[in-house]
Amino acid sequence: QQQVKQSPQSLIVQKGGISIINCAYENTAFDYFPWYQQFPGKGPALLIAIRPDVSEKKEGRFTISFNKSAKQFSLHIMDSQPGDSATYFCAASSSSGGYQKVTFGIGTKLQVIP
Amino acid sequence: DAGVIQSPRHEVTEMGQEVTLRCKPISGHDYLFWYRQTMMRGLELLIYFNNNVPIDDSGMPEDRFSAKMPNASFSTLKIQPSEPRDSAVYFCATAGFPDTIYFGEGSWLTVV
Repeated sequence: QQQVKQSPQSLIVQKGGISIINCAYENTAFDYFPWYQQFPGKGPALLIAIRPDVSEKKEGRFTISFNKSAKQFSLHIMDSQPGDSATYFCAASSSSGGYQKVTFGIGTKLQVIP
Repeated sequence: DAGVIQSPRHEVTEMGQEVTLRCKPISGHDYLFWYRQTMMRGLELLIYFNNNVPIDDSGMPEDRFSAKMPNASFSTLKIQPSEPRDSAVYFCATAGFPDTIYFGEGSWLTVV
């Protein structure tokens, strides 16, 4: 059972454009939603994260939008650059009852073309 | 801090051979995870440890897979016997409670 559904699986964006990746979750106990960025040949690394007490979080060109009622969250990359070309994973976890496993989406391979 | 260190980075082995992947976690992190990454299934959690104790191994695909963490500085993931369908990238990752997971650079396994 895929608890975090991510789309699209691949995305091509022109330099300077906006990249948008969407995720939806099912488990209402999830209360932490990170995004990881993975470059070829490397492991994933935390990019930005949000908790459901806010609807948006921005760090530089990267913004997470969160819709608790719809159980959806998305990553927006403004002014996309070729250096942003990577695979992006959304994830979700719950902190209730101690540490809980992080569930990852399937990943989105982003290519930013000059 | 050197981060999570994995070895070998690349391994090519013949079907039926034993494969051992190694991980040195970030010092002070209480949680250690083994993930497998494939194109079809993405990132799958195989097993995780807390304070060297295996907590959840429900993601281990079958008895051919085993993982150990004999101390806070070292963990292994073993596949015996290996099969071509085990070909994947295996990541070790660690975390201090409760949020950020730090991944190693992965061990790229090819079973021929």
